[in-house]
Amino acid sequence: AQKVTQAQTEISVVEKEDVTLDCVYETRDTTYYLFWYKQPPSGELVFLIRRNSFDEQNEISGRYSWNFQKSTSSFNFTITASQVVDSAVYFCALSEATSGYALNFGKGTSLLVTP
Amino acid sequence: DAGVIQSPRHEVTEMGQEVTLRCKPISGHDYLFWYRQTMMRGLELLIYFNNNVPIDDSGMPEDRFSAKMPNASFSTLKIQPSEPRDSAVYFCASRQGTSSIFSGELFFGEGSRLTVL
Repeated sequence: AQKVTQAQTEISVVEKEDVTLDCVYETRDTTYYLFWYKQPPSGELVFLIRRNSFDEQNEISGRYSWNFQKSTSSFNFTITASQVVDSAVYFCALSEATSGYALNFGKGTSLLVTP
Repeated sequence: DAGVIQSPRHEVTEMGQEVTLRCKPISGHDYLFWYRQTMMRGLELLIYFNNNVPIDDSGMPEDRFSAKMPNASFSTLKIQPSEPRDSAVYFCASRQGTSSIFSGELFFGEGSRLTVL
């Protein structure tokens, strides 16, 4: 069963628009971690953020922000004032104690930012 | 510090041939993971090791796949015999374990792109 669902397969926006990437997860663990990774066209996986299940505080880093809501099992990612360089595939991932904290990835959302 | 190092970066081989992918984790990291990425299935965990011991290999697709970690600084993923459907990007990742609550980030190598003709 898919534990991490990224319902948006592809998103296309025009530069300077805000865009939110959705992530819904499923777990029975009380201790778990959520991640976002970016995969640019060059192919490497770039770590963006990690949140633990005990910390629901939203986080902002520059143009990036994350909204973690345990009540809806969601960990959404917003890019403000998007730029062409943000074009990439973004992966949400879950790690659980019962799985040895291995990362379980969603299918990814491909974001295209056009000028 | 050097990151996770994978080799080869690209491999093209013919069906039936043996393929060996290599990974050197970050020094001091005691968890190592092998992932496979395809368009159809996304990023799948194949196997992971803790202190060189395989912990969960339930993601290994078939007996044609095997992975070893003879020491803390080296791991291999072998496919024998290879098939066209094995064509994918294979990522190795490592992290530092903690004795209590997990906090370590997973560091990924640049991946090995395998094409089986």
